[in-house]
Amino acid sequence: DVQMTQSPPSLSASVGDRVTITCQASQDISNYLNWYQQKPGKAPKLLIYDASNLETGVPSRFSGSGSGTDFTFTISSLQPEDFATYYCQQYDNLPLFTFGPGTKVDLK
Amino acid sequence: QVTLKESGPVLVKPTETLTLTCTVSGFSLSNGRMGVSWVRQPPGKALEWLAHIFSNDENFSSTSLQTRVTISKDTSKSQVVLTMTNVDPVDTATYYCARIRIGTFVTYYVMDVWGQGTPVTVSS
Repeated sequence: DVQMTQSPPSLSASVGDRVTITCQASQDISNYLNWYQQKPGKAPKLLIYDASNLETGVPSRFSGSGSGTDFTFTISSLQPEDFATYYCQQYDNLPLFTFGPGTKVDLK
Repeated sequence: QVTLKESGPVLVKPTETLTLTCTVSGFSLSNGRMGVSWVRQPPGKALEWLAHIFSNDENFSSTSLQTRVTISKDTSKSQVVLTMTNVDPVDTATYYCARIRIGTFVTYYVMDVWGQGTPVTVSS
């Protein structure tokens, strides 16, 4: 099974900051990597698919990059509504899914 | 409008079988570019994918849970059912179902619409 790691586990930032989260796969997953945002008590929301494609309706301050085993998720200018936990999720050829452990972004 | 709604027991006893139902609307379970996943989240912990099923009834489950988890669907009722046998307190979680959208020109899999989740507690 593919294992996913994320770093950092949590971070504190201010409104307007640039925020970067990394996700690493235990083996080459090409670009089969999605990113989700989850707020407390709410269901996850899809932000980025296939490593770098912005889901329809998602603000352009969110972006993703990477391929193979190393991926990056960036918020270019953090907004008040962006304080949440972010998860990467990979899929393989079957497909089987695996989530990363999450990164919590809170207010500095 | 696409919606998914989970239903099932709030409290289950250890060793019992948990049955959860996801009722969908706004899309058909016979759509070849769609599927439905189940994902759970223990209190304060990360998301965990459990299983999913596609229009042709092809289904997959997590290798760590595949001996306990079964997924099926009733297209006429627009329902996907997850059963988990021999539950334990560690199975206490909020259980979500989500629609899988499959890419058209490039094959990708995303969970693009989620239900609100249903909390399940395993306790005697």
